[in-house]
Amino acid sequence: GAGVSQSPRYKVAKRGQDVALRCDPISGHVSLFWYQQALGQGPEFLTYFQNEAQLDKSGLPSDRFFAERPEGSVSTLKIQRTQQEDSAVYLCASSFSGGLYEQYFGPGTRLTVT
Amino acid sequence: KNEVEQSPQNLTAQEGEFITINCSYSVGISALHWLQQHPGGGIVSLFMLSSGKKKHGRLIATINIQEKHSSLHITASHPRDSAVYICAADGGATNKLIFGTGTLLAVQP
Repeated sequence: GAGVSQSPRYKVAKRGQDVALRCDPISGHVSLFWYQQALGQGPEFLTYFQNEAQLDKSGLPSDRFFAERPEGSVSTLKIQRTQQEDSAVYLCASSFSGGLYEQYFGPGTRLTVT
Repeated sequence: KNEVEQSPQNLTAQEGEFITINCSYSVGISALHWLQQHPGGGIVSLFMLSSGKKKHGRLIATINIQEKHSSLHITASHPRDSAVYICAADGGATNKLIFGTGTLLAVQP
């Protein structure tokens, strides 16, 4: 079956623009995670959904970042008024449940803010 | 001090060599993940373990819960093993992963 997909794969935004990044998890996966990976760094946690409920958003760096998963499947990460420091790869991962299950990662969206 | 630390940060090996990458963590975990990331590519899960040892092909992962330490071993390394290897701790509460900074492995023919 299909893996986790993300779109767009690449996004260039001018500083101050709003962007929306989409994640399609593996069908049936309850848990969905967003991570941010700056160049040369390991990924860092942003937020976590269990079905449509956002259970942890402690990693969102500012109130310009907003994530939703309204029907418990597709998720969107929105960044308002983008800044240069937002430039990174945004990774989405899903897993079957919140328990001890592997996380399956999407290819990521590379965001460049100019 | 990072909650998850890896060593070495960079590793160059000759084809056929036995490779070890180490991971130490300071948080309580429910599981420890080893992941592989190729340049420009996505992340692939290699192992998830909470105790003991797991083996898949030429890859072996071990964990010592008491010492809060895990190792990833690659036997008979091959140039196609060249990638970044990342360990990540699953803290359990929401299963969010806390990542190490990765080990860049280059296997030369």
